[in-house]
Amino acid sequence: QQQVKQSPQSLIVQKGGISIINCAYENTAFDYFPWYQQFPGKGPALLIAIRPDVSEKKEGRFTISFNKSAKQFSLHIMDSQPGDSATYFCAASIRGAGSYQLTFGKGTKLSVIP
Amino acid sequence: NAGVTQTPKFRVLKTGQSMTLLCAQDMNHEYMYWYRQDPGMGLRLIHYSVGEGTTAKGEVPDGYNVSRLKKQNFLLGLESAAPSQTSVYFCASRPLGQGMNTEAFFGQGTRLTVV
Repeated sequence: QQQVKQSPQSLIVQKGGISIINCAYENTAFDYFPWYQQFPGKGPALLIAIRPDVSEKKEGRFTISFNKSAKQFSLHIMDSQPGDSATYFCAASIRGAGSYQLTFGKGTKLSVIP
Repeated sequence: NAGVTQTPKFRVLKTGQSMTLLCAQDMNHEYMYWYRQDPGMGLRLIHYSVGEGTTAKGEVPDGYNVSRLKKQNFLLGLESAAPSQTSVYFCASRPLGQGMNTEAFFGQGTRLTVV
């Protein structure tokens, strides 16, 4: 059973456009929702994260929107740039569970074309 | 700072051979994890450790063993490699605590091919 579902699988956006990646989760015990960015040949790196007590978090051009009742969260990349081309993973974890293990979505490959 | 270092970066094994992947972190983190990444599958947790001397199974532990004899090192072993274990393996570590700054740091990955 996949606990975090991510869509779309791939996304092509023009430079300057908005990239939107969506995730849905099933386990209501999740209380931490990070997004990771991965460039080819590199390990994932934390991009931005949110807790369910807020509905939105913004850091520069990156925004997480969170809908607790719908069990959904999304990443918005404003003014998308070719340097944003990477694979993005949403994830979820239970902060008080002891292991803090992350459950990942399957990833979205973003291509920003000039 | 080196962060999380994985050794080796690439390896080709024949079916049935054994090998050990080494993960070393210099951040004094308590928690360490081994994930595998396959196309279209995201990252799946193999094993993890919540401290020196402890290990536990993750989502896909079959065919792998781990050890954490020293706090800074987390070893992933394949006793008898199978083609299904062809993957990119990532090690990660994180510190204690529940704050928003207690993120997981990932290594650069080990690309393993089993032929």
